[in-house]
Amino acid sequence: EAGVTQFPSHSVIEKGQTVTLRCDPISGHDNLYWYRRVMGKEIKFLLHFVKESKQDESGMPNNRFLAERTGGTYSTLKVQPAELEDSGVYFCASSERDYYNEQFFGPGTRLTVL
Amino acid sequence: GESVGLHLPTLSVQEGDNSIINCAYSNSASDYFIWYKQESGKGPQFIIDIRSNMDKRQGQRVTVLLNKTVKHLSLQIAATQPGDSAVYFCAEKGAAGNKLTFGGGTRVLVKP
Repeated sequence: EAGVTQFPSHSVIEKGQTVTLRCDPISGHDNLYWYRRVMGKEIKFLLHFVKESKQDESGMPNNRFLAERTGGTYSTLKVQPAELEDSGVYFCASSERDYYNEQFFGPGTRLTVL
Repeated sequence: GESVGLHLPTLSVQEGDNSIINCAYSNSASDYFIWYKQESGKGPQFIIDIRSNMDKRQGQRVTVLLNKTVKHLSLQIAATQPGDSAVYFCAEKGAAGNKLTFGGGTRVLVKP
């Protein structure tokens, strides 16, 4: 069974540009999460989808970040306009519905904003 | 790897010895705890979990201990192998829904 996949694996953009990250969760997983680790900090939660609905977006840093999960399958995270402090690794994870179900993580997208 | 520039505490251990990684958590409302292993270029990988109604849980070569009184979690790896070299994160859940709150991570280096 395929795990969580993320695209691209690495993105280098100029400050002010737009970048869209994509996450394909494990098939059948209703829960989808975005996390990120910026340089020197721990992994931080961004938001949580249940199917296509945003369950918790308390970790989104500001309105330059927009996440979508149309149809409840894959998700995108758009950063517009990107700032230097957005550089880091963005992880996506998915899980089944039960509270104690494991969150399976993708390999991450390394974002570098110059 | 993606941890360049990230200053992590490091545990150096001889191959075959046991490793103990510690984690302090702050929220007494957390009721579920997980240890993740992250190798270079990969995402965090589940190792073992423990619910707050337990104080010890064992897996294959790994044991997690939970001390709720002092809000402390530890991961013990028996007979550490070169493949155990990675960054280890503790994570907690329960204070606010399904999201995970991660600790800062510990790098484990296994010396042959």
